Amino acid sequence: EVQLVESGGGLVQPGGSLRLSCAASGFTFSSYWMTWVRQAPGKGLEWVANIKQDGSEKYYMDSVKGRFTISRDNAKNSLYLQMNSLRAEDTAVYYCARGVFSGYMDVWGKGTTVTVSS
Amino acid sequence: DIQMTQSPSSVSASVGDSVTIPCRASQGISTWLAWYQQKPGKAPKLLIYAASSLQSGVPSRFSGSGSGTDFTLTISSLQPEDFATYYCQQANSFPYTFGQGTKLEIK
Repeated sequence: EVQLVESGGGLVQPGGSLRLSCAASGFTFSSYWMTWVRQAPGKGLEWVANIKQDGSEKYYMDSVKGRFTISRDNAKNSLYLQMNSLRAEDTAVYYCARGVFSGYMDVWGKGTTVTVSS
Repeated sequence: DIQMTQSPSSVSASVGDSVTIPCRASQGISTWLAWYQQKPGKAPKLLIYAASSLQSGVPSRFSGSGSGTDFTLTISSLQPEDFATYYCQQANSFPYTFGQGTKLEIK
């Protein structure tokens, strides 16, 4: 079964850091672009970052550039999102998703919740 | 950045109706557009990609059309499980962007 499972969410103070992980199974992880998408409480979907199959290309939304880093370990079938200098507006459910044709997300995890609050 | 606009933010319909949900891009994106369905507390689900291609396993009552800046998602013969929020997303250029969503409610 094709599956993505996120972990690492939690409560963190403003200015703090958190590292999200996404474990992939049931497909050849190294063959796909991977994506992080977030959804603030009661709000819409927001694309966060993409990473190419071999990690050679990474793209970010403007508001997280310089604070978030997307990475992957193809040997471990894992995707990561290192989040630094967290702000209240980063509070959201974070989903990892598999990318097809680079930009479409055909498999999603259930999400992990990040809350930034003092 | 390309802005994606979905208006209205909600639409009401009855079981058995046909409904059309529009999406507009702030600049031309060819057919680099996807539609997703999301139910409360659940992850989004890909319905349509490349503007009009039906994702595997998605019922044929869902269809997409459009190119350039104007796109539509059509759901024919609405079923009870179709009442959800629908998002469009452009994949033409980074940063990828979603529309604000259209909530399909039961009339």
